Amino acid sequence: NAGVTQTPKFQVLKTGQSMTLQCAQDMNHNSMYWYRQDPGMGLRLIYYSASEGTTDKGEVPNGYNVSRLNKREFSLRLESAAPSQTSVYFCASSGRLAPYEQYFGPGTRLTVT
Amino acid sequence: LAKITQPISMDSYEGQEVNITCSHNNIATNDYITWYQQFPSQGPRFIIQGYKTKVTNEVASLFIPADRKSSTLSLPRVSLSDTAVYYCLVGFNTGGFKTIFGAGTRLFVKA
Repeated sequence: NAGVTQTPKFQVLKTGQSMTLQCAQDMNHNSMYWYRQDPGMGLRLIYYSASEGTTDKGEVPNGYNVSRLNKREFSLRLESAAPSQTSVYFCASSGRLAPYEQYFGPGTRLTVT
Repeated sequence: LAKITQPISMDSYEGQEVNITCSHNNIATNDYITWYQQFPSQGPRFIIQGYKTKVTNEVASLFIPADRKSSTLSLPRVSLSDTAVYYCLVGFNTGGFKTIFGAGTRLFVKA
Protein backbone atom coordinates (compact mmCIF):
# COMPACT_ATOMS: atom_id res chain seq x y z
CA ASN A 1 0.00 0.00 0.00
CA ALA A 2 1.89 3.06 -1.29
CA GLY A 3 -0.61 5.74 -0.19
CA VAL A 4 -0.12 8.90 -2.26
CA THR A 5 2.65 8.92 -4.86
CA GLN A 6 3.92 11.88 -6.84
CA THR A 7 6.18 12.14 -9.87
CA PRO A 8 8.64 13.61 -10.47
CA LYS A 9 10.38 14.32 -7.15
CA PHE A 10 12.43 17.16 -8.58
CA GLN A 11 12.13 19.25 -11.74
CA VAL A 12 13.87 22.28 -13.19
CA LEU A 13 12.09 24.24 -15.92
CA LYS A 14 12.92 27.29 -17.95
CA THR A 15 10.44 30.16 -18.02
CA GLY A 16 7.72 29.43 -20.55
CA GLN A 17 8.11 25.65 -20.55
CA SER A 18 5.20 23.41 -19.67
CA MET A 19 4.98 20.30 -17.57
CA THR A 20 2.54 18.02 -15.80
CA LEU A 21 2.88 16.83 -12.22
CA GLN A 22 1.39 13.41 -11.64
CA CYS A 23 -0.34 12.17 -8.51
CA ALA A 24 -1.92 8.81 -7.73
CA GLN A 25 -3.51 7.31 -4.61
CA ASP A 26 -4.36 3.71 -3.85
CA MET A 27 -6.66 4.26 -0.85
CA ASN A 28 -9.89 4.44 -2.86
CA HIS A 29 -10.35 8.04 -1.74
CA ASN A 30 -12.95 10.21 -3.39
CA SER A 31 -11.26 13.59 -2.98
CA MET A 32 -7.87 14.79 -4.16
CA TYR A 33 -5.99 18.07 -3.75
CA TRP A 34 -3.02 20.02 -5.06
CA TYR A 35 -1.15 22.43 -2.79
CA ARG A 36 1.95 24.54 -3.14
CA GLN A 37 4.30 25.39 -0.28
CA ASP A 38 6.67 28.32 -0.54
CA PRO A 39 9.63 28.70 1.85
CA GLY A 40 8.56 29.56 5.39
CA MET A 41 4.90 29.49 4.51
CA GLY A 42 1.96 27.23 4.97
CA LEU A 43 0.41 25.25 2.17
CA ARG A 44 -1.96 26.99 -0.22
CA LEU A 45 -4.67 25.08 -2.04
CA ILE A 46 -4.39 25.32 -5.83
CA TYR A 47 -7.21 23.04 -6.98
CA TYR A 48 -9.16 20.19 -5.54
CA SER A 49 -11.43 17.46 -6.80
CA ALA A 50 -14.25 16.47 -4.47
CA SER A 51 -15.02 13.39 -6.53
CA GLU A 52 -14.18 11.79 -9.85
CA GLY A 53 -15.31 14.05 -12.67
CA THR A 54 -15.33 17.28 -10.66
CA THR A 55 -12.67 19.91 -10.03
CA ASP A 56 -12.79 23.25 -8.27
CA LYS A 57 -10.49 26.19 -7.71
CA GLY A 58 -8.71 26.74 -4.45
CA GLU A 59 -6.90 29.79 -3.12
CA VAL A 60 -4.24 30.18 -5.86
CA PRO A 61 -5.43 28.59 -9.15
CA ASN A 62 -3.99 31.09 -11.65
CA GLY A 63 -1.40 29.59 -13.97
CA TYR A 64 -2.47 26.00 -13.33
CA ASN A 65 -4.85 23.45 -14.77
CA VAL A 66 -5.88 20.08 -13.38
CA SER A 67 -7.32 16.84 -14.63
CA ARG A 68 -9.00 14.17 -12.54
CA LEU A 69 -8.18 11.34 -14.90
CA ASN A 70 -9.97 8.67 -12.85
CA LYS A 71 -10.58 7.99 -9.17
CA ARG A 72 -6.90 7.25 -8.55
CA GLU A 73 -5.15 9.98 -10.49
CA PHE A 74 -5.13 13.79 -10.31
CA SER A 75 -2.64 15.73 -12.42
CA LEU A 76 -1.51 19.36 -12.24
CA ARG A 77 -0.35 21.15 -15.37
CA LEU A 78 1.71 24.29 -15.74
CA GLU A 79 1.15 25.55 -19.27
CA SER A 80 3.78 28.29 -19.25
CA ALA A 81 5.98 28.15 -16.18
CA ALA A 82 7.03 31.35 -14.42
CA PRO A 83 9.67 31.89 -11.71
CA SER A 84 6.85 32.71 -9.28
CA GLN A 85 5.79 29.06 -9.58
CA THR A 86 9.01 27.85 -8.00
CA SER A 87 7.73 25.91 -5.02
CA VAL A 88 7.19 22.50 -3.49
CA TYR A 89 3.97 20.93 -4.72
CA PHE A 90 2.03 18.46 -2.62
CA CYS A 91 -0.78 16.22 -3.66
CA ALA A 92 -3.22 14.88 -1.07
CA SER A 93 -6.32 12.71 -0.89
CA SER A 94 -9.13 12.12 1.58
CA GLY A 95 -12.00 9.69 1.97
CA ARG A 96 -15.74 10.33 2.09
CA LEU A 97 -16.13 9.43 5.76
CA ALA A 98 -13.30 11.68 6.97
CA PRO A 99 -12.77 14.40 4.36
CA TYR A 100 -10.80 16.57 6.78
CA GLU A 101 -8.15 13.84 7.22
CA GLN A 102 -5.95 14.32 4.19
CA TYR A 103 -3.08 12.03 3.28
CA PHE A 104 -0.17 13.78 1.61
CA GLY A 105 2.36 12.65 -0.94
CA PRO A 106 6.11 13.30 -0.58
CA GLY A 107 6.05 16.42 -2.74
CA THR A 108 7.61 17.65 -5.98
CA ARG A 109 10.27 20.32 -5.74
CA LEU A 110 9.96 22.56 -8.80
CA THR A 111 12.39 25.29 -9.78
CA VAL A 112 11.64 27.67 -12.65
CA THR A 113 14.60 29.68 -13.92
CA LEU B 1 -12.35 33.10 3.84
CA ALA B 2 -11.00 32.53 7.33
CA LYS B 3 -7.81 34.37 8.26
CA ILE B 4 -5.58 32.20 10.42
CA THR B 5 -2.92 33.42 12.82
CA GLN B 6 -0.59 31.23 14.84
CA PRO B 7 2.76 31.85 16.60
CA ILE B 8 5.79 31.55 14.36
CA SER B 9 7.80 29.44 16.79
CA MET B 10 7.84 27.89 20.26
CA ASP B 11 10.47 26.17 22.36
CA SER B 12 9.86 23.45 24.92
CA TYR B 13 11.67 20.77 26.90
CA GLU B 14 11.16 17.04 26.79
CA GLY B 15 8.35 15.85 29.03
CA GLN B 16 6.50 19.18 29.09
CA GLU B 17 3.01 19.84 27.82
CA VAL B 18 2.90 22.18 24.83
CA ASN B 19 -0.09 24.31 23.90
CA ILE B 20 -0.22 26.01 20.51
CA THR B 21 -3.05 28.48 19.98
CA CYS B 22 -4.46 29.45 16.61
CA SER B 23 -6.69 32.45 15.93
CA HIS B 24 -9.37 32.21 13.23
CA ASN B 25 -11.59 35.19 13.88
CA ASN B 26 -13.89 34.95 10.85
CA ILE B 27 -14.43 31.22 10.85
CA ALA B 28 -17.65 30.22 9.14
CA THR B 29 -20.46 28.21 10.70
CA ASN B 30 -19.71 25.09 8.70
CA ASP B 31 -15.91 25.25 9.00
CA TYR B 32 -14.02 22.55 10.85
CA ILE B 33 -10.66 23.05 12.57
CA THR B 34 -7.84 20.66 11.86
CA TRP B 35 -4.20 20.40 12.89
CA TYR B 36 -1.35 18.84 10.96
CA GLN B 37 2.30 18.10 11.70
CA GLN B 38 5.08 18.44 9.14
CA PHE B 39 8.69 17.24 9.29
CA PRO B 40 11.33 18.59 6.87
CA SER B 41 11.07 17.27 3.33
CA GLN B 42 7.80 15.45 4.07
CA GLY B 43 4.14 16.12 3.46
CA PRO B 44 1.97 17.17 6.41
CA ARG B 45 0.41 14.49 8.60
CA PHE B 46 -3.04 14.72 10.20
CA ILE B 47 -3.10 15.07 13.99
CA ILE B 48 -6.61 15.98 15.11
CA GLN B 49 -9.87 17.61 14.03
CA GLY B 50 -12.74 19.30 15.85
CA TYR B 51 -15.76 21.55 15.52
CA LYS B 52 -16.35 22.75 19.08
CA THR B 53 -15.54 21.95 22.74
CA LYS B 54 -12.81 19.38 23.30
CA VAL B 55 -11.53 16.48 21.26
CA THR B 56 -8.86 14.03 22.38
CA ASN B 57 -7.07 11.23 20.59
CA GLU B 58 -4.01 9.14 21.32
CA VAL B 59 -1.54 11.89 20.46
CA ALA B 60 -3.17 15.26 21.19
CA SER B 61 -6.12 17.25 22.46
CA LEU B 62 -7.90 20.09 20.73
CA PHE B 63 -9.74 22.76 22.70
CA ILE B 64 -12.23 25.01 20.91
CA PRO B 65 -14.14 27.68 22.88
CA ALA B 66 -17.81 28.37 22.28
CA ASP B 67 -17.19 31.35 19.99
CA ARG B 68 -14.82 29.21 17.84
CA LYS B 69 -12.59 32.20 17.12
CA SER B 70 -9.54 30.31 18.33
CA SER B 71 -8.39 26.78 18.99
CA THR B 72 -5.58 25.26 21.05
CA LEU B 73 -3.63 22.15 20.19
CA SER B 74 -2.26 20.46 23.29
CA LEU B 75 0.61 17.97 23.04
CA PRO B 76 1.16 16.11 26.33
CA ARG B 77 4.73 15.23 27.40
CA VAL B 78 6.55 16.15 24.22
CA SER B 79 9.69 14.34 23.11
CA LEU B 80 12.55 15.33 20.82
CA SER B 81 10.75 13.64 17.92
CA ASP B 82 7.89 16.14 18.25
CA THR B 83 10.16 18.86 16.87
CA ALA B 84 8.27 19.86 13.73
CA VAL B 85 6.04 22.52 12.20
CA TYR B 86 2.41 22.44 13.30
CA TYR B 87 -0.29 23.84 11.05
CA CYS B 88 -3.74 25.00 11.98
CA LEU B 89 -6.31 24.67 9.21
CA VAL B 90 -9.92 25.60 8.79
CA GLY B 91 -12.01 24.10 6.08
CA PHE B 92 -15.47 23.08 5.09
CA ASN B 93 -16.88 19.97 3.55
CA THR B 94 -17.92 20.36 -0.06
CA GLY B 95 -17.69 16.66 -0.74
CA GLY B 96 -13.98 17.22 -0.57
CA PHE B 97 -12.52 19.48 2.06
CA LYS B 98 -11.66 23.00 0.97
CA THR B 99 -8.96 24.16 3.34
CA ILE B 100 -7.04 27.24 4.39
CA PHE B 101 -3.70 26.62 6.12
CA GLY B 102 -2.14 28.85 8.72
CA ALA B 103 1.54 29.76 8.25
CA GLY B 104 2.63 27.16 10.81
CA THR B 105 4.27 27.10 14.24
CA ARG B 106 7.78 25.72 14.44
CA LEU B 107 8.09 23.74 17.68
CA PHE B 108 11.59 22.97 18.90
CA VAL B 109 11.84 20.45 21.72
CA LYS B 110 15.05 20.51 23.71
CA ALA B 111 16.57 17.78 25.88
